[in-house]
Amino acid sequence: DAGITQSPRHKVTETGTPVTLRCHQTENHRYMYWYRQDPGHGLRLIHYSYGVKDTDKGEVSDGYSVSRSKTEDFLLTLESATSSQTSVYFCAISMTGENQPQHFGDGTRLSIL
Amino acid sequence: SQQGEEDPQALSIQEGENATMNCSYKTSINNLQWYRQNSGRGLVHLILIRSNEREKHSGRLRVTLDTSKKSSSLLITASRAADTASYFCATLSGGYQKVTFGIGTKLQVIP
Repeated sequence: DAGITQSPRHKVTETGTPVTLRCHQTENHRYMYWYRQDPGHGLRLIHYSYGVKDTDKGEVSDGYSVSRSKTEDFLLTLESATSSQTSVYFCAISMTGENQPQHFGDGTRLSIL
Repeated sequence: SQQGEEDPQALSIQEGENATMNCSYKTSINNLQWYRQNSGRGLVHLILIRSNEREKHSGRLRVTLDTSKKSSSLLITASRAADTASYFCATLSGGYQKVTFGIGTKLQVIP
């Protein structure tokens, strides 16, 4: 398995609170991604990073921010969580190159009450 | 918006049978990938087929790609109970290695 660790694995919080999810990799891969997975929608890209301090928005970025201060860590922050952000969040990594697969962590199940 | 759409959304077969899943997409692609997701786990990459390839094999997996029809199929031969999972296609279009995932096919293999 690729060395990807997501923390926490489960979290329950209340609407309006800030939440930060962490993705840590030991593979030294350049690209890192945050997705959310919801029934009927598959995986949707929230933000991605193509290097330290280099990030860009994905398909569903509203309400989320990210930071990458080190190659190995990619943080996803919900500044003020809403119930619509209840989801399973996955981090993925990939090497440089067009035909490189993505490797996924085991996800964070986030419930916002 | 989803680039890939899998068909069927759910499939139930007996162990030993073949399972075929299809994926259609809308725009031109660089490559198409298939992933498997077991319940409660992250996605695992199965196979990647480039836009200039028509067929690829990996063990019991066979993937075809028809760029003229913008479609791909994943065939799992001699299925096993351990193949029970959701299967996703994902397409890469353009730069920065951003792939777009479909909704998935849920496969159940009955022992």
